[in-house]
Amino acid sequence: DGGITQSPKYLFRKEGQNVTLSCEQNLNHDAMYWYRQDPGQGLRLIYYSQIVNDFQKGDIAEGYSVSREKKESFPLTVTSAQKNPTAFYLCASRGRRQNTEAFFGQGTRLTVV
Amino acid sequence: AQSVTQLDSQVPVFEEAPVELRCNYSSSVSVYLFWYVQYPNQGLQLLLKYLSGSTLVESINGFEAEFNKSQTSFHLRKPSVHISDTAEYFCAVSPQGAQKLVFGQGTRLTINP
Repeated sequence: DGGITQSPKYLFRKEGQNVTLSCEQNLNHDAMYWYRQDPGQGLRLIYYSQIVNDFQKGDIAEGYSVSREKKESFPLTVTSAQKNPTAFYLCASRGRRQNTEAFFGQGTRLTVV
Repeated sequence: AQSVTQLDSQVPVFEEAPVELRCNYSSSVSVYLFWYVQYPNQGLQLLLKYLSGSTLVESINGFEAEFNKSQTSFHLRKPSVHISDTAEYFCAVSPQGAQKLVFGQGTRLTINP
């Protein structure tokens, strides 16, 4: 089945540690996105990538990093510089044409203790 | 830049009553418009979309939304809600000619028996 897979579903890390969230898609989509979701704040864009080896900062990129070495994969690293990393993280992918919808993964809930 | 405002953070309604979830957007260019639904601890699923043509679009489960260009709105409606409609609903815009996808803050729809 085609789709987008995020792993793990739940992740616990100690404060000060970097952590990498995985996002893989087999939809042959060019664009991929990372969003952060907090209660009452909707989805805020962290980074997005329109093509392999290229990505752009979203509205809240500070404390995060990404890579896009393969079309299928767009991992997100939450660094120790992110002041409040505990949140629900959603990955999405989308075709090249802007009039297509985005498909979402099931999300990763990161808790930093 | 684009922005999306969902005017109500929470909407409680009784089962079988009608509901309207409001969405307004701002953009200096033409946009594509989307409504997504999110059930607890899951990713987002597309509910419906407006790309062009008829300003009234419908989903398979009874929701509809109307694009109003002059009021820059894309309100979501359902004439009679069911308990299973309890979820969070997000409005999103994508500017034509760009891959960025911007979401509103979300509206939590609660259905009371």
